[in-house]
Amino acid sequence: NAGVTQTPKFQVLKTGQSMTLQCAQDMNHEYMSWYRQDPGMGLRLIHYSVGAGITDQGEVPNGYNVSRSTTEDFPLRLLSAAPSQTSVYFCASSYDQNTEAFFGQGTRLTVV
Amino acid sequence: LAKTTQPISMDSYEGQEVNITCSHNNIATNDYITWYQQFPSQGPRFIIQGYKTKVTNEVASLFIPADRKSSTLSLPRVSLSDTAVYYCLVGVVNNDMRFGAGTRLTVKP
Repeated sequence: NAGVTQTPKFQVLKTGQSMTLQCAQDMNHEYMSWYRQDPGMGLRLIHYSVGAGITDQGEVPNGYNVSRSTTEDFPLRLLSAAPSQTSVYFCASSYDQNTEAFFGQGTRLTVV
Repeated sequence: LAKTTQPISMDSYEGQEVNITCSHNNIATNDYITWYQQFPSQGPRFIIQGYKTKVTNEVASLFIPADRKSSTLSLPRVSLSDTAVYYCLVGVVNNDMRFGAGTRLTVKP
């Protein structure tokens, strides 16, 4: 049982480059979300999805896009990377918004 | 979302019981109280969730008084491997769990 799988684990980007962070879950969860965590801080919600074809913005959505074409996958796209997007990114999934959330291992992104 | 307040850090020794209290004065009627644990370089992991009174599972207990304005996570007989950050979350709106800074627990030998 893989749970929530994120790739890559580490990434270095140059300012202005774009990339996609991958997230996949095998628990058939409808709810999926992306968080970022900056040093010494808690997690902040970037985007979330309540099912295939449905996405919405969280607390810090600027500079990021998401799509949800399948229940399993929820990729996060950085359109034009900026140093302020240097952070650790976590993907999570859950059965619904009030039940236990399962998190991936994270992607550590550095933008230079 | 209810605002939560918990200690920034706590120290303990192996074998002791650790209690971490979280204040949430404006908790809503429908809000659940959930605790997560996070180790360095890992994603948060669910520990326990409750609505009122006491909940116990194989790793922790959660005590919630009748007014629900606070909650206490109790970790029995901690070990070095319990060193982590512990987050108290109250309520979820639009899938936003609103993690705060958490409590950094350090268990010493």
